[in-house]
Amino acid sequence: DGGITQSPKYLFRKEGQNVTLSCEQNLNHDAMYWYRQDPGQGLRLIYYSQIVNDFQKGDIAEGYSVSREKKESFPLTVTSAQKNPTAFYLCASSQDRDTDTQYFGPGTRLTVL
Amino acid sequence: ILNVEQSPQSLHVQEGDSTNFTCSFPSSNFYALHWYRWETAKSPEALFVMTLNGDEKKKGRISATLNTKEGYSYLYIKGSQPEDSATYLCAFKNSGYSTLTFGKGTMLLVSP
Repeated sequence: DGGITQSPKYLFRKEGQNVTLSCEQNLNHDAMYWYRQDPGQGLRLIYYSQIVNDFQKGDIAEGYSVSREKKESFPLTVTSAQKNPTAFYLCASSQDRDTDTQYFGPGTRLTVL
Repeated sequence: ILNVEQSPQSLHVQEGDSTNFTCSFPSSNFYALHWYRWETAKSPEALFVMTLNGDEKKKGRISATLNTKEGYSYLYIKGSQPEDSATYLCAFKNSGYSTLTFGKGTMLLVSP
């Protein structure tokens, strides 16, 4: 089955530690995205990549880093510089450069203790 | 950052009721408007994408309309069922941006 996987579903880390969230897709999509959701907020874009080896900052990129070494994979690292890392993180991909219809993974809930 | 507003924030209806929600977006430089359904413990799922003023889309009991000149879209659910319970997100694409801007969503609860 084609789709997007994110792992793990729940993640706990101590304050000050970097943590990497996984996102893999087998849809052969060029573009991939990372969003963050907080209570009462819409999905906010962290980083996106429209092609392998290239990525762009979204609206809230500070304290995060990404890489796009393979088409299928777009891992997100939450660094210790991110002031409020506890949140729900969603990964998405898209092949439609026109309207940008996106397909989402199941998400990872990160809790920093 | 573009402003996309959804109302109401939440809605509780009885099975069989019809309901509708609103998504407001900037009317200038419109390119596309998406609706997604996000059920609890699942991934957001694309419902509709609309690109032209006056567009109407329908999928079963759910339909959507688009007014790009005044900057709003309506999502209608006819005869709501408990399985329609979800958060409905709209997302706007501006011709000057390469990504989507999401609203905060409308949370719908349909009681049997």
